[in-house]
Amino acid sequence: QKEVEQNSGPLSVPEGAIASLNCTYSDRVSQSFFWYRQYSGKSPELIMSIYSNGDKEDGRFTAQLNKASQYVSLLIRDSQPSDSATYLCAVGPFYNQGGKLIFGQGTELSVKP
Amino acid sequence: DTEVTQTPKHLVMGMTNKKSLKCEQHMGHRAMYWYKQKAKKPPELMFVYSYEKLSINESVPSRFSPECPNSSLLNLHLHALQPEDSALYLCASSQDDRTSSYEQYFGPGTRLTVT
Repeated sequence: QKEVEQNSGPLSVPEGAIASLNCTYSDRVSQSFFWYRQYSGKSPELIMSIYSNGDKEDGRFTAQLNKASQYVSLLIRDSQPSDSATYLCAVGPFYNQGGKLIFGQGTELSVKP
Repeated sequence: DTEVTQTPKHLVMGMTNKKSLKCEQHMGHRAMYWYKQKAKKPPELMFVYSYEKLSINESVPSRFSPECPNSSLLNLHLHALQPEDSALYLCASSQDDRTSSYEQYFGPGTRLTVT
């Protein structure tokens, strides 16, 4: 059973702080890793994708991947109240399963002014 | 442009009704997906279409019937649904499903209520 684990939260950080969201996955052959942001009542929005070990930065967001430890994280610098949302980690693809992604349960982030 | 559109935004239907959800993308993507999402849960994959052919059916009940009329359109036909089918139905698309690096973009979803 392929699994993706995230802390459900809520994770509460003060405005301006760094929010750190973590995700572990069980299948070593996973190739692609994604972070989605989902506001309450809205659909998931892709904010980061990462495919190789190391860090990938995009504005205030940094994704980190460590395939040896089967660990992927998302750092949000200078957190803003508008970052308050549920963050979904997604992992894929899996052999012979095309575009299927496995989602974690999501971490709810609350940024307090 | 990473826009996926879905209609309708909201749908209320009785258990004996037949209705359809529609999804459209103009990004030239060749893989399209239907997901179901319940409150406080992650999206749950239902179907994948790859190059207009059904490639994955996640053992979805036959009261849900997908259709891909062309590479830009995806429909989900609904018939004899149950109240527990009430959920947010999400469409997504990706460049394809045959490479190891693909990104799925979601539409805004259809909020379905079965009465």
